[in-house]
Amino acid sequence: DIQMTQSPSSLSAYVGDRVTITCRASQSISFYLNWYQQKPGKAPKLLIYGASSLHSGVPSRFSGSGSGTDFTLTISSLQPEDFATYYCQQSYTTPLYTFGQGTNLEIK
Amino acid sequence: QVQLQESGPGLVKPSETLSLTCTVSGGSVSSGSYYWSWIRQPPGKGLECVGYISYSGSTNYNPSLKSRVSMSVDTSKNQFSLRLSSVTAADTAVYYCARAILTGYYQLDFWGQGTLVTVSS
Repeated sequence: DIQMTQSPSSLSAYVGDRVTITCRASQSISFYLNWYQQKPGKAPKLLIYGASSLHSGVPSRFSGSGSGTDFTLTISSLQPEDFATYYCQQSYTTPLYTFGQGTNLEIK
Repeated sequence: QVQLQESGPGLVKPSETLSLTCTVSGGSVSSGSYYWSWIRQPPGKGLECVGYISYSGSTNYNPSLKSRVSMSVDTSKNQFSLRLSSVTAADTAVYYCARAILTGYYQLDFWGQGTLVTVSS
């Protein structure tokens, strides 16, 4: 099974900061990496698919990069509504999508 | 706009069967472009893929749950369903249904709001 490891597990930042979250796969997954945002009590929302493609309606301050085993999600200038938990997900070995453990982004 | 809505009992007794249905609106489960998925999230924990089903009824399940899971699709009602047998407290979770795009990177682009299922006597 492919394991997905996110770092950091939690992060504190100020509004306006540039933030980067990393996701590492235990083996190559090409570009089959998606990112989701989840707020408390809500379903996850798709942000980025195929490692770097922005889902419709997602603000351009979100961006993704990487391929193979190492990926990043970057928020260029944090907004108050961005404080949430972020998950990466590999979709290379369907049917078993594997999610990372999540990164909790908190306001400082 | 596609919407998904989970429904089913919020409380299930240990050893019994959990049954949930996802109703899709604004789109069709008969489309060959999507897989219809179930994902669960234990309280305070991360996301776990349960499995998915295609419009034709082809299924794929998480190997760790495979012996207890079954899924079905009802195209006449535009619904798909999950059954998980012999449940224990470890199956307590929020269960989400979601749509995965086959023609892309199998990204889950639309999700239901989720339904909490508690396993307790």
